Amino acid sequence: DAGVTQSPTHLIKTRGQQVTLRCSPKSGHDTVSWYQQALGQGPQFIFQYYEEEERQRGNFPDRFSGHQFPNYSSELNVNALLLGDSALYLCASSILTSGRRDTQYFGPGTRLTVL
Amino acid sequence: AQSVAQPEDQVNVAEGNPLTVKCTYSVSGNPYLFWYVQYPNRGLQFLLKYITGDNLVKGSYGFEAEFNKSQTSFHLKKPSALVSDSALYFCAVRGSQGNLIFGKGTKLSVKP
Repeated sequence: DAGVTQSPTHLIKTRGQQVTLRCSPKSGHDTVSWYQQALGQGPQFIFQYYEEEERQRGNFPDRFSGHQFPNYSSELNVNALLLGDSALYLCASSILTSGRRDTQYFGPGTRLTVL
Repeated sequence: AQSVAQPEDQVNVAEGNPLTVKCTYSVSGNPYLFWYVQYPNRGLQFLLKYITGDNLVKGSYGFEAEFNKSQTSFHLKKPSALVSDSALYFCAVRGSQGNLIFGKGTKLSVKP
């Protein structure tokens, strides 16, 4: 049973560029959440997707957007990159019908470096 | 607002000794609490969770956690530490949006 997968593993961009990160959830999971983990910090919630819609959003600007596809996979897009966007981006999948009891399982992350 | 605090940046333990990584929480209502471990340049691995019921929760790799409502704590424990347990440990609480709210992490170092 494949776990959560993310691509690419590493990415280097320059300021002002745009980036797309991809995530495939664990088999049987229908909900994808994205987190940003800056160096030396705990992960911060960006947003959550279910049924191809953004359901919840953390305190991130509109430069951060996403998409969920019918197969439950998801993309995170960041426009107009800033140096401060350099971080490890983590995708987590879960089953929404489990409610608040669900466990989120994380992928290995994408390390984004903005120069 | 929900939050968690991990008061120790680093915990040092000798191999074979018991270990404790501390976590306190602040929530309105019943807390849903989690522990994750992160190895260098890796994602987070789920260890255990407390939803309701027994205050002692058993998880993966011999870890357990004790929920204490009066002290609003959820400390992670292991009776006998291994060198391979050395990693970054995160405590988290379920937020009202269904997201996880993480502490800043505690680096565990287990020496032979």
